[in-house]
Amino acid sequence: RKEVEQDPGPFNVPEGATVAFNCTYSNSASQSFFWYRQDCRKEPKLLMSVYSSGNEDGRFTAQLNRASQYISLLIRDSKLSDSATYLCVVNDGGGADGLTFGKGTHLIIQP
Amino acid sequence: DTGVSQNPRHKITKRGQNVTFRCDPISEHNRLYWYRQTLGQGPEFLTYFQNEAQLEKSRLLSDRFSAERPKGSFSTLEIQRTEQGDSAMYLCASSPRIVGLQETQYFGPGTRLLVL
Repeated sequence: RKEVEQDPGPFNVPEGATVAFNCTYSNSASQSFFWYRQDCRKEPKLLMSVYSSGNEDGRFTAQLNRASQYISLLIRDSKLSDSATYLCVVNDGGGADGLTFGKGTHLIIQP
Repeated sequence: DTGVSQNPRHKITKRGQNVTFRCDPISEHNRLYWYRQTLGQGPEFLTYFQNEAQLEKSRLLSDRFSAERPKGSFSTLEIQRTEQGDSAMYLCASSPRIVGLQETQYFGPGTRLLVL
């Protein structure tokens, strides 16, 4: 069974701090990787794709380690508006399988 | 708004009734996906269309679940003889077919189903 594992948290972090999440995936043939953000009772929204070379978007940095089959997300200078659930997502190779989601990591930024 | 839309947004039904949900994808997207999300879980893939062709349906939860996309545009998801365990958020997503690049799926707001 293809799985994506995440620590559900919650992570309680003071505003301005740096926080990091990891997730692991079981299918070594997985082809593409994403972080989605989901606010309470809302739909998931793409935060960023994750590339093998690592990528950065403002305060957010994502990295992929194919050898160890894990993905990370780093949030710097956290804001109150970063409070959400962060979903680690893997695409196993085309539309036939859809996306495989982790259960999500719940982040709470405290003032 | 040119995003994915879903109707209804909420549905309350009695056990044993049939329900149908509609999804309108982003207009130029030819791939459409259905997911189910229960409390505390990530979305779970159900089925997938490329244009009007349903290319994957083995992950539908039971034979009570069916989906259509007759003209390759909007799609419907039907649940027959609903059970209380069907209560969940049903999410639709669409994506363009981009060869050689990571496929990004864009989600609609979901239909929240409550079976009494």
